[in-house]
Amino acid sequence: AQSVTQLDSQVPVFEEAPVELRCNYSSSVSVYLFWYVQYPNQGLQLLLKYLSGSTLVKGINGFEAEFNKSQTSFHLRKPSVHISDTAEYFCAVRDFGNEKLTFGTGTRLTIIP
Amino acid sequence: DAMVIQNPRYQVTQFGKPVTLSCSQTLNHNVMYWYQQKSSQAPKLLFHYYDKDFNNEADTPDNFQSRRPNTSFCFLDIRSPGLGDAAMYLCATSMGRQANQPQHFGDGTRLSIL
Repeated sequence: AQSVTQLDSQVPVFEEAPVELRCNYSSSVSVYLFWYVQYPNQGLQLLLKYLSGSTLVKGINGFEAEFNKSQTSFHLRKPSVHISDTAEYFCAVRDFGNEKLTFGTGTRLTIIP
Repeated sequence: DAMVIQNPRYQVTQFGKPVTLSCSQTLNHNVMYWYQQKSSQAPKLLFHYYDKDFNNEADTPDNFQSRRPNTSFCFLDIRSPGLGDAAMYLCATSMGRQANQPQHFGDGTRLSIL
């Protein structure tokens, strides 16, 4: 069965500093990986996805993530954050052939001016 | 813009009074999902439709039902809401059920129970 672990429930970062949000997954088969962002009182918006090919994936709003199969990780990074990046970030995994998308518990990113 | 629209954004109902939440999509996607998201938690899948084929999650309470009268619309019915059903309800769509298909979410309906 697939599962996702986001170890950091809250991450405070100063504005214009870099950030990394950690995501580790568990699966017995190959996976597809996704990062979603949720702004207050809104739905989830797809930031980026890893399906195949290059392990470094670039998404919207300057975010990128790197798929590391040996470490079963898919960490999200941004070199310089802005106040507008304050939101909840969810990592999600889907096994090949599995209809169900499994979410991590989320990381609340707070940008400090 | 093609999108997923949920109405209303905020819904207040009384304990035990049936309530219906609606979702519409202009993406012409085959699959529509309903998730429940409680405060500071991950979204939890309740059920989904692949076209007209209804798929219920094993742990979804019987109190929750869904209807999909056509491709564009999907409804979530809560027959007798309890206090524990207060949550954000998210609708999502995807083109197909293949694992590489991303899901597109609406802005959600926040349900409060008095």
